[in-house]
Amino acid sequence: ELKVEQNPLFLSMQEGKNYTIYCNYSTTSDRLYWYRQDPGKSLESLFVLLSNGAVKQEGRLMASLDTKARLSTLHITAAVHDLSATYFCAVDTDGSGNTGKLIFGQGTTLQVKP
Amino acid sequence: KAGVTQTPRYLIKTRGQQVTLSCSPISGHRSVSWYQQTPGQGLQFLFEYFSETQRNKGNFPGRFSGRQFSNSRSEMNVSTLELGDSALYLCASSLQGYEQFFGPGTRLTVL
Repeated sequence: ELKVEQNPLFLSMQEGKNYTIYCNYSTTSDRLYWYRQDPGKSLESLFVLLSNGAVKQEGRLMASLDTKARLSTLHITAAVHDLSATYFCAVDTDGSGNTGKLIFGQGTTLQVKP
Repeated sequence: KAGVTQTPRYLIKTRGQQVTLSCSPISGHRSVSWYQQTPGQGLQFLFEYFSETQRNKGNFPGRFSGRQFSNSRSEMNVSTLELGDSALYLCASSLQGYEQFFGPGTRLTVL
């Protein structure tokens, strides 16, 4: 059964610092997604990573995918308070995108302090 | 383009009752997936419908059921509610093979 694990689960950091969130998954998949969730809100799509070596960047966030290592990273550069949220990675269960079934990591709660 | 909509946004029910939640996908999206989010179990997949057929089902008891209509709108039903069913229920729509877009969720409280 596919398992998705994130670490750390909680991250408190100062504004201006860099950090990386890791997402490991247990079976082969070429499709990995990153979502953001603010308290009491729904999930907002951040990145879609569709192949080995994929790298996507948006503002201070950069996501990458290594399918051989079954690892994705979400790197935060020069954090600002507005990035405070919970970040989830999710993996498509059969890698084809045709199942509509995502398995989510536990989520990483990021708190950026001024 | 309108996003995914879910109704109602909040519900309070008592144990033993049943509840129906509704989800309208983004126009043109034929796949609708449902997820349950709780503090203890996180985000868990319930089921997915595509063209009115259930393609996938998660590991939930038979009290949880769903359906999809010809216009792709979907409903999920939970019968004989238990306290542990209190959760945020999220639906997501997608074009087949592409990313899922989530609705605002329905927060269900079971007393």
